Amino acid sequence: QQQVKQSPQSLIVQKGGISIINCAYENTAFDYFPWYQQFPGKGPALLIAIRPDVSEKKEGRFTISFNKSAKQFSLHIMDSQPGDSATYFCAARARGNQGGKLIFGQGTELSVKP
Amino acid sequence: DGGITQSPKYLFRKEGQNVTLSCEQNLNHDAMYWYRQDPGQGLRLIYYSQIVNDFQKGDIAEGYSVSREKKESFPLTVTSAQKNPTAFYLCASSPGQGVGGYQPQHFGDGTRLSIL
Repeated sequence: QQQVKQSPQSLIVQKGGISIINCAYENTAFDYFPWYQQFPGKGPALLIAIRPDVSEKKEGRFTISFNKSAKQFSLHIMDSQPGDSATYFCAARARGNQGGKLIFGQGTELSVKP
Repeated sequence: DGGITQSPKYLFRKEGQNVTLSCEQNLNHDAMYWYRQDPGQGLRLIYYSQIVNDFQKGDIAEGYSVSREKKESFPLTVTSAQKNPTAFYLCASSPGQGVGGYQPQHFGDGTRLSIL
């Protein structure tokens, strides 16, 4: 079944802390795992993405960790800032089909307190 | 600036009425997508199109229709058959297959549809 499960649904972190959002999937035919950031009233914007042949990818304060055997991947936001307060979505793309169709997680609403 | 333009930003529908949401992109992307976003449910795919004059149903296509007569345009019609149309609708595009590599989807800023 093509499904991506995301947790937690909401997260409150103090400024300077680490925000961690987790996703799990069942379909082993996924080949691309992007994370999107969405601010209220706006469309999602690509934040960072990883392929399953890489265990970790870091871009600035944002890191994706990927565990292929456990079929899990997570987003870590280091030194979280109030400006990071947004909804975050993980997603997965089925390998080589359907024009890049993505399956999205349910979303995590992050609030970073000053 | 290249991007995706969705209009209108807010739309109201009366009972039994069809409404059409506009999506235009100037990124020269082949593939376009429509998603519906409800609180706590993430983004669910309604329809997608990989090329002009071709489109496929997504996971929740019932009560919706699309057309793809031009590369840059992918309008979505919410028909009266869609019994719960209140949601935030997002349009996206990507370079599509054959481009190579991992091509992300770019999103517009959405249309919020409400029922009067």
